[in-house]
Amino acid sequence: DGGITQSPKYLFRKEGQNVTLSCEQNLNHDAMYWYRQDPGQGLRLIYYSQIVNDFQKGDIAEGYSVSREKKESFPLTVTSAQKNPTAFYLCASRQGSFQPQHFGDGTRLSIL
Amino acid sequence: AQKITQTQPGMFVQEKEAVTLDCTYDTSDPSYGLFWYKQPSSGEMIFLIYQGSYDQQNATEGRYSLNFQKARKSANLVISASQLGDSAMYFCAMRPNFGNEKLTFGTGTRLTIIP
Repeated sequence: DGGITQSPKYLFRKEGQNVTLSCEQNLNHDAMYWYRQDPGQGLRLIYYSQIVNDFQKGDIAEGYSVSREKKESFPLTVTSAQKNPTAFYLCASRQGSFQPQHFGDGTRLSIL
Repeated sequence: AQKITQTQPGMFVQEKEAVTLDCTYDTSDPSYGLFWYKQPSSGEMIFLIYQGSYDQQNATEGRYSLNFQKARKSANLVISASQLGDSAMYFCAMRPNFGNEKLTFGTGTRLTIIP
């Protein structure tokens, strides 16, 4: 089945620790995105990538980093500089203009 | 800059009734797309329907239709014959068709269908 796989489903971070959230897609989509969702809120864009080896900051990139070494993979690292990382993280991908973004099932990150 | 406004934080609707979820937007881009997504309690975002800014007709997808009024900058979602499984958060979003192509979301409406 084609789709977007996010792992893990739940993740716990200790203070001062970096953690990496995985996002893999087998849809052959060029563009990939990372969003953060806080309780009762809409989604806010963290980073996005329209082609391999290129990515741009979204609206709330501080404390996060990404890489796009392969078309199918777009991992997100939540660094220790992100002081309030507890949230639901959603990865998405899209192929072509006028097309909707398709989302993974999300990763819920909590602080220990 | 783009902005999406959803003024209904929550709605309760009787099963089998139709429901309209409001969405207004603001943008200076001449060409853009409008989207509605459904988010059940499990968390995944499910794409429902798309409307292009130059589309002459309102979009429809099964029980979903989009009431697009460009002059009023509104893109309301209409769900006909609501079902218990329609209970979820619903998000309106928009994206310019050129340039950075960033998707901007509203804060959502929580829809609860009452048996």
